[in-house]
Amino acid sequence: DAKTTQPNSMESNEEEPVHLPCNHSTISGTDYIHWYRQLPSQGPEYVIHGLTSNVNNRMASLAIAEDRKSSTLILHRATLRDAAVYYCILRSNTNAGKSTFGDGTTLTVKP
Amino acid sequence: ETGVTQSPTHLIKTRGQQVTLRCSSQSGHNTVSWYQQALGQGPQFIFQYYREEENGRGNFPPRFSGLQFPNYSSELNVNALELDDSALYLCASSLQKYGYTFGSGTRLTVV
Repeated sequence: DAKTTQPNSMESNEEEPVHLPCNHSTISGTDYIHWYRQLPSQGPEYVIHGLTSNVNNRMASLAIAEDRKSSTLILHRATLRDAAVYYCILRSNTNAGKSTFGDGTTLTVKP
Repeated sequence: ETGVTQSPTHLIKTRGQQVTLRCSSQSGHNTVSWYQQALGQGPQFIFQYYREEENGRGNFPPRFSGLQFPNYSSELNVNALELDDSALYLCASSLQKYGYTFGSGTRLTVV
């Protein structure tokens, strides 16, 4: 299975941008890059996903390296509600596309 | 959209017993995946069902089994429960390569 590597933890100040990195050097051509976040006692929440091009939605932006071996989730203005564990995973576009979660990055947002 | 509903929310079982966890997929989603999440760790993939057939499995023994029904709802069955099976069990529905929608999980405690 293609795996991802993320820093264990990161800190940010409220209202500042946050860049959460993810390495996925063994990514295959059929793998989409997905990001989820999880609050305590809740299931993971979908944030964003992409294949090759950078993506934007109301929650965040996803910047994908040209060789697709790394990506960065960008929160443009962190709020206290963005404090969570963020997971970067790969998901194949085939029917058997299982996804492997690592331990994610715990984001702390300071007021 | 109704989201993903899991039942029960909490469950206590005795070692050696059997348990069935249930998941109602988000409307229109034909793929369901099950994950086990131990405290402080990322979700671990158990298996995935697509149109009522298992099409992906993680490193879990055969006593972990599942079903997906024609309405795309799903069950996770665990036989011969062990203490290490205590975890949060997450169900996620999706349309193939698109983002997962996770339920809030079932907290299973084995004593």
